[in-house]
Amino acid sequence: GQSLEQPSEVTAVEGAIVQINCTYQTSGFYGLSWYQQHDGGAPTFLSYNVLDGLEEKGRFSSFLSRSKGYSYLLLKELQMKDSASYLCAPMDSNYQLIWGAGTKLIIKP
Amino acid sequence: IAGITQAPTSQILAAGRRMTLRCTQDMRHNAMYWYRQDLGLGLRLIHYSNTAGTTGKGEVPDGYSVSRANTDDFPLTLASAVPSQTSVYFCASSVAGESGEQFFGPGTRLTVL
Repeated sequence: GQSLEQPSEVTAVEGAIVQINCTYQTSGFYGLSWYQQHDGGAPTFLSYNVLDGLEEKGRFSSFLSRSKGYSYLLLKELQMKDSASYLCAPMDSNYQLIWGAGTKLIIKP
Repeated sequence: IAGITQAPTSQILAAGRRMTLRCTQDMRHNAMYWYRQDLGLGLRLIHYSNTAGTTGKGEVPDGYSVSRANTDDFPLTLASAVPSQTSVYFCASSVAGESGEQFFGPGTRLTVL
């Protein structure tokens, strides 16, 4: 079967660092994407990991462990505009992204 | 056009009516997708197309049909709308079907009464 787990909500303070975890189980696996979605908006692409390890893109980094079925998104120097939902989406053997409800990130000043 | 566009932005529809949601991209992407997103739930794939002239069924295809006559356009048709099809519909595209980077349109908010 297929499963995807992320915390429903995470709270952090402006200027801090936050990590959003994702565990998954899919029928076949090619890679894992992270997307950001503001309330009322469309998802926007952040990263796609195929190999194990950490990939850094400015304030955002994404980590993947294929053997553990685990990924995380790391956001540094949090800004109020980072308040959004973050969607973890593994790609299965049919090349389809599997979507969960995502993690709502609340940032406090 | 820059990127991917959808029309209409929102629509209220009587049950039983036929409706086509439009999606156009100008990035020459091969793959296109239709998703629906309901409050508190993840995106669910309705139909997809890996290249012009081909389409495939996603997770929730019943009640919906698509066509892909050319690279740019990927309309989604509800033949006879039902209230359970009330949702936000997103069209997306990617360079290829196996790409993890999808570009999303702004969405169509559809209410079926």
